[in-house]
Amino acid sequence: TQLLEQSPQFLSIQEGENLTVYCNSSSVFSSLQWYRQEPGEGPVLLVTVVTGGEVKKLKRLTFQFGDARKDSSLHITAAQPGDTGLYLCAGQETSGSRLTFGEGTQLTVNP
Amino acid sequence: DAGVTQSPTHLIKTRGQHVTLRCSPISGHKSVSWYQQVLGQGPQFIFQYYEKEERGRGNFPDRFSARQFPNYSSELNVNALLLGDSALYLCASSLAGDLGYTFGSGTRLTVV
Repeated sequence: TQLLEQSPQFLSIQEGENLTVYCNSSSVFSSLQWYRQEPGEGPVLLVTVVTGGEVKKLKRLTFQFGDARKDSSLHITAAQPGDTGLYLCAGQETSGSRLTFGEGTQLTVNP
Repeated sequence: DAGVTQSPTHLIKTRGQHVTLRCSPISGHKSVSWYQQVLGQGPQFIFQYYEKEERGRGNFPDRFSARQFPNYSSELNVNALLLGDSALYLCASSLAGDLGYTFGSGTRLTVV
């Protein structure tokens, strides 16, 4: 079973600050996906990165896939209270049958 | 377009009982996956079905079973419920795994 380590587990920051969430594994994934989950809801897909070294930007969010396709990071610039939520990274195993999730990063952005 | 729909939204069962959870994927999605999410943790993979065939199974006991119907909807069955089965059960559908998954809002199962 492939494992994904996500850090930090909890993050509480002030509005306007920047932050980075890391997702690391010793295994290679065919893609790395980032989701955001609100309480009582299912995860919502933010982005999928497929190519090693790939960088994708979604407004104030920047996602990067490591060159070896084993790790990824999510950087948020000028965080806003609306960014509050549980951020999950997930690796699509090369067999194609499952997503392996990290433990999640609970982000709280205080006004 | 309707997203992934799951039913019921909440369920309370007694230890030893059986439960059936249901999922309807997005129209056109032939792949359905099931995940268990315990409070404070990331979702854990249970099953994946594609075109009515099981394509993957996670590290869950045989008490857990699933199936997919010709219309691509799916059921997750759990027998002999244990307190530790209390969790949010999520269903996800996709066109292709690397394109990402659409999750339903889940079924909150409480075993007492």
